[in-house]
Amino acid sequence: AQSVAQPEDQVNVAEGNPLTVKCTYSVSGNPYLFWYVQYPNRGLQFLLKYITGDNLVKGSYGFEAEFNKSQTSFHLKKPSALVSDSALYFCAVRSYGNNRLAFGKGNQVVVIP
Amino acid sequence: DSGVTQTPKHLITATGQRVTLRCSPRSGDLSVYWYQQSLDQGLQFLIQYYNGEERAKGNILERFSAQQFPDLHSELNLSSLELGDSALYFCASSVGWETSYNEQFFGPGTRLTVL
Repeated sequence: AQSVAQPEDQVNVAEGNPLTVKCTYSVSGNPYLFWYVQYPNRGLQFLLKYITGDNLVKGSYGFEAEFNKSQTSFHLKKPSALVSDSALYFCAVRSYGNNRLAFGKGNQVVVIP
Repeated sequence: DSGVTQTPKHLITATGQRVTLRCSPRSGDLSVYWYQQSLDQGLQFLIQYYNGEERAKGNILERFSAQQFPDLHSELNLSSLELGDSALYFCASSVGWETSYNEQFFGPGTRLTVL
C-alpha cells in the first residue's frame, strides 16, 4: 500500500518569509513523489517531482522540495513566500509498477501580506 | 492551461438521476484518470484507462462506470445519484502507464451538485 501524510491542515506564513509544507510517505519500493497546487475553483497544477538522483528538486514558481529517504519525507519549500502562493498544496506518491497516485489530504497555505 | 478539458463545468441534478462527465486528455496522452474531490474524503482515485483499456480501479462505487473511446476521450457515468455524490470530479491524463513516472495533468473539474 502507498500513502501520504500531510500533518498540518493549514500553514500560515508572512509574505517574504520562507515557506515549508511537510509531507511524509509510505510506499513499497522506490517512490516517485510529486507536489501539486490547487487554486480556488481550479484543477491541480503540477509543481515538481522526484524520481531519482539529486535529493533537491526544483520546480515551478520558485518552489523546491527535498527528498529524504531515511525520514521518508518530501517537504516542499520556497525561500520567500508571495501572497499569490496562497493555495491548497497536495503531496502525492506512487511506486514503480503501481498505477495509482496516492494523494495526501492537502495543506492550505495562507500567505499574510 | 493543462491541455485537459472537461465538460460540463457545473452540473446540478436530483437524487436518483444519471449523469455523464466528459474528459479529453492532452494531445498524445494515452492514460486517463478520474478522481473525486470532496471536503470529507479529500482527493480519491476512482479509475484509470490506458489506450481504451481499464488499468486500475480505486474507490469507485458500483453505481459509477467509465470508459475510454478510440479517440482517447473518456466519460464517467454516475447513476442512481445520492446527495453524497456531490463533489468535484477531476480528470487527469499522462503519457504512459504504470511504468511511467510522468506527472499527471489535471483538467479544471466538473462540480456536481445533487439536490
